Amino acid sequence: DVKVTQSSRYLVKRTGEKVFLECVQDMDHENMFWYRQDPGLGLRLIYFSYDVKMKEKGDIPEGYSVSREKKERFSLILESASTNQTSMYLCASSFRGRKSTNEKLFFGSGTQLSVL
Amino acid sequence: AQTVTQSQPEMSVQEAETVTLSCTYDTSESDYYLFWYKQPPSRQMILVIRQEAYKQQNATENRFSVNFQKAAKSFSLKISDSQLGDAAMYFCAYRMSWVSNFGNEKLTFGTGTRLTIIP
Repeated sequence: DVKVTQSSRYLVKRTGEKVFLECVQDMDHENMFWYRQDPGLGLRLIYFSYDVKMKEKGDIPEGYSVSREKKERFSLILESASTNQTSMYLCASSFRGRKSTNEKLFFGSGTQLSVL
Repeated sequence: AQTVTQSQPEMSVQEAETVTLSCTYDTSESDYYLFWYKQPPSRQMILVIRQEAYKQQNATENRFSVNFQKAAKSFSLKISDSQLGDAAMYFCAYRMSWVSNFGNEKLTFGTGTRLTIIP
């Protein structure tokens, strides 16, 4: 089974702290994504990467950065956490290109981040 | 920009009955994919069903089927014989085809519908 692992299920941080959310996938997927999930707003894309060291801004990149130094790992960084970044963060991955099921996203089980 | 709209924040259905969740989307593309994902309380997103826009036949997966109306840009999910395990948040999602948008294979999601199953 494909596995997308997020390092923490729950995280509590203080305002102004630097926060790292880690995501690792074991299926050699080229694409990796970070989404934020909020009630009534659904899932919104923060950043995605289609290759090592490549990154693209999503719909809500402000206040976030990302790092992809290895194919299997995609990190989301909150440089200075703020209370409005309290949310559920979901990592996902997929193959790139037209393969039999390449367009399917595989998700991690999410990190619930609280910024106090 | 593509948008996905789910106009029903919450739905409920009696166990064993049928329920339909609505989804509309906006795009200028002709080739794309549509998905329904389920998120149970465990938070693990599970793909329920997918539809390729160039296929006229509606996708089905056991008790789950879709009504894909390309001209109307509508993509509803029908759950037959509802079971307690179907209780979850359901998200509709859109993705452009890889052929025309290499490197841009992100999914755009709707705001979700919370489905409650009444025993």
